[in-house]
Amino acid sequence: RKEVEQDPGPFNVPEGATVAFNCTYSNSASQSFFWYRQDCRKEPKLLMSVYSSGNEDGRFTAQLNRASQYISLLIRDSKLSDSATYLCVVRRGGGGNKLTFGTGTQLKVEL
Amino acid sequence: ETGVTQSPTHLIKTRGQQVTLRCSSQSGHNTVSWYQQALGQGPQFIFQYYREEENGRGNFPPRFSGLQFPNYSSELNVNALELDDSALYLCASSPGTLPNTGELFFGEGSRLTVL
Repeated sequence: RKEVEQDPGPFNVPEGATVAFNCTYSNSASQSFFWYRQDCRKEPKLLMSVYSSGNEDGRFTAQLNRASQYISLLIRDSKLSDSATYLCVVRRGGGGNKLTFGTGTQLKVEL
Repeated sequence: ETGVTQSPTHLIKTRGQQVTLRCSSQSGHNTVSWYQQALGQGPQFIFQYYREEENGRGNFPPRFSGLQFPNYSSELNVNALELDDSALYLCASSPGTLPNTGELFFGEGSRLTVL
């Protein structure tokens, strides 16, 4: 079983739609959680961190459920520019810079 | 731009050959990590260098090795290349221990094709 699992998609949605991505992680020692965005043939970039209380950044809302080991990302009012692969990422406790990435969920926003 | 530069951007090798990939970290960043991203997969951690020493390694065989130089730039070496080594190799830098923001600054990667 992979340490971080995501639905690979693709999710094809019309502009303006709301779309949600889910992710589960298997290692209960995971301490920090993030969503990264990766455009086609480009490097991953941090989209947002995910906190237990949930957090929002504009049209993006991230949620964490530690009991269920489940992370989500909600994108409201999708834009064409949101088309990318969204990577769910976890980091274990104890410091260190090792991030464990999911396979990513591909989003295509269409006119 | 992240300020992390990698070279070469693309290269083609044959099975059994050796390859060296290079990375210059962002100014002020003393920690470099290397990741392998196969097609359709997320990046996988290879190893990390801090102050010229390896201080963390993923599930990669010893034929994957690296170096970090006094200026914090880094190299990834892969010996005895196999077809499955075909991937995008990403270098990421950070200022020491990863901050809670989880932000690694990635270079654009070196795309290796093994024939």
